Amino acid sequence: QQPVQSPQAVILREGEDAVINCSSSKALYSVHWYRQKHGEAPVFLMILLKGGEQKGHEKISASFNEKKQQSSLYLTASQLSYSGTYFCGTGIQGAQKLVFGQGTRLTINP
Amino acid sequence: KAGVTQTPRYLIKTRGQQVTLSCSPISGHRSVSWYQQTPGQGLQFLFEYFSETQRNKGNFPGRFSGRQFSNSRSEMNVSTLELGDSALYLCASTDLMNTEAFFGQGTRLTVV
Repeated sequence: QQPVQSPQAVILREGEDAVINCSSSKALYSVHWYRQKHGEAPVFLMILLKGGEQKGHEKISASFNEKKQQSSLYLTASQLSYSGTYFCGTGIQGAQKLVFGQGTRLTINP
Repeated sequence: KAGVTQTPRYLIKTRGQQVTLSCSPISGHRSVSWYQQTPGQGLQFLFEYFSETQRNKGNFPGRFSGRQFSNSRSEMNVSTLELGDSALYLCASTDLMNTEAFFGQGTRLTVV
């Protein structure tokens, strides 16, 4: 079952914050977040494991609520380089078999 | 360290033909997964190989098959091509720790 991402698309001005949600109807073991720019391969952002803690870089972080089977990606003070389509991938066998959401298209304008 | 390499980058085929796509994983990675990406369906899992054995399979018809060689390189084959097979086919490799998947640039297949 494919996880559901929301919103499907969001347009922001540089410096604004964004939250992308990912929810699953199945129990989750891990949640992977990727960003794909147009014409490029998806690039790994972070992974959250069941029982693990929230992870993140300076301005990109994520949370994983096992009980609600949800994950959220937080982008703080967005930069132009954050533009792209964000995918969450859920797996019970790590990154070997990921089931991806439909993606969230993020557009950052100057 | 070289990344994941997929060849060819672009392909145009006719309905009914068959096609073979290739993926060379990152050196040392033994797991290779294949995904189909289309605007309407997003990223769909096809199958995963590890040490020349298919370990996981998605919900695709038998026309989609694959294999992995002893050097971990993988090929994907689609027989009797249909217009709906037009898509970007991505492969991803992971290491033993399965921490993240590294994607190749993909092969864009167009069926006419």
